[in-house]
Amino acid sequence: NAGVTQTPKFQVLKTGQSMTLQCAQDMNHNSMYWYRQDPGMGLRLIYYSASEGTTDKGEVPNGYNVSRLNKREFSLRLESAAPSQTSVYFCASSESDTQYFGPGTRLTVL
Amino acid sequence: SQQGEEDPQALSIQEGENATMNCSYKTSINNLQWYRQNSGRGLVHLILIRSNEREKHSGRLRVTLDTSKKSSSLLITASRAADTASYFCATAAFYDSWGKLQFGAGTQVVVTP
Repeated sequence: NAGVTQTPKFQVLKTGQSMTLQCAQDMNHNSMYWYRQDPGMGLRLIYYSASEGTTDKGEVPNGYNVSRLNKREFSLRLESAAPSQTSVYFCASSESDTQYFGPGTRLTVL
Repeated sequence: SQQGEEDPQALSIQEGENATMNCSYKTSINNLQWYRQNSGRGLVHLILIRSNEREKHSGRLRVTLDTSKKSSSLLITASRAADTASYFCATAAFYDSWGKLQFGAGTQVVVTP
């Protein structure tokens, strides 16, 4: 089992460009999450999906959209990237209390 | 806003020593979890303690929870160089049934041989 996979691993964007971060899990989990991690701030929840077909805003949703394509996949889209979105993005999934994390995507917006 | 606040922010110890880090939180919780993050990697779950538990052990890890003080501690005994990592506490709010977690800023632990 691969667990939680994320693509790409690294990405550099110019201000105003758009991109989609992909996440997939093979553990048959219902819940999936997107976080961003900034230095000294821990992880902050962007969006989450409690089950296939549902998505909800987290703590810092502005500037992002998500799609829960099916039970396995949960994508995060930046429509018009800004330098403030430079961060490391983590996807996670869970079935109960414990969350399982992907390796992260390091995004730089110039 | 962050729910958990870890203390200290950074900790440097030698192999064989114990490492203790603390976490304080603000609202009522269902459970509190500790995660480890090695440099450049994703977070890995270490241990979960529920609000009705006071202490839990897993291998070299010991977690305590004091709900009256809204605080928890993580003790790593007999540290190894491989324990070098950042450690995060995360809380699941009592009123939240969707498994959302709020993470603290983390404690960076360096274990030198």
